[in-house]
Amino acid sequence: EVQLVESGGGLVQPGGSLRLSCAASGFTFSSYDMHWVRQATGKGLEWVSAIGTAGDTYYPGSVKGRFTISRENAKNSLYLQMNSLRAGDTAVYYCARVVVAAKGNYYMDVWGKGTTVTVSS
Amino acid sequence: SSELTQDPAVSVALGQTVRITCQGDSLRSYYASWYQQKPGQAPVLVIYGKNNRPSGIPDRFSGSSSGNTASLTITGAQAEDEADYYCNSRDSSGNHLGVVFGGGTKLTVL
Repeated sequence: EVQLVESGGGLVQPGGSLRLSCAASGFTFSSYDMHWVRQATGKGLEWVSAIGTAGDTYYPGSVKGRFTISRENAKNSLYLQMNSLRAGDTAVYYCARVVVAAKGNYYMDVWGKGTTVTVSS
Repeated sequence: SSELTQDPAVSVALGQTVRITCQGDSLRSYYASWYQQKPGQAPVLVIYGKNNRPSGIPDRFSGSSSGNTASLTITGAQAEDEADYYCNSRDSSGNHLGVVFGGGTKLTVL
């Protein structure tokens, strides 16, 4: 069964750090781009970071310089290192597998159940 | 602000047809993918590419695109279709990893 399982969420003080993990199983992890997507309570989905199969990364402005996405193919694992956390980073964080199709099209076909990050003093 | 624009809320009578739209410049070049999310659950892919459904998604869900607008149509809406729906596509950065979500549409089945 293809599966993604996030872990590492919790309560952290503003300015603190947290490292999220996403364990992949049931597919060849190294062959897929992977993304992190978050959702604050009552809000919409927000893309947080992406990593390609070659290890290239990309971030939106809201987290660039504070968050770092990485992958360890030998362990079928995806990570998100979050530093300088703010109250606005409070959300459920999902990892998602990306299928890249023709002409640059893509879709996120597998999602984890998410892990909750709360930034509060 | 989101580069993909969706109506915040749409309603449909049980058994009727509803279309949920998503507008954005990137949709002139790329297809949108659509995700259904029910309360307390992770998003689920329902439409991708020109008009493709993953295994297990009912055929009452379909997708289309014209110009800068992508649409998700539910033909014969069921009570279990009540959910939030999000579109997603490439962003305007030119980076092959850059993506953006629409703000989401809350679908109510009356």
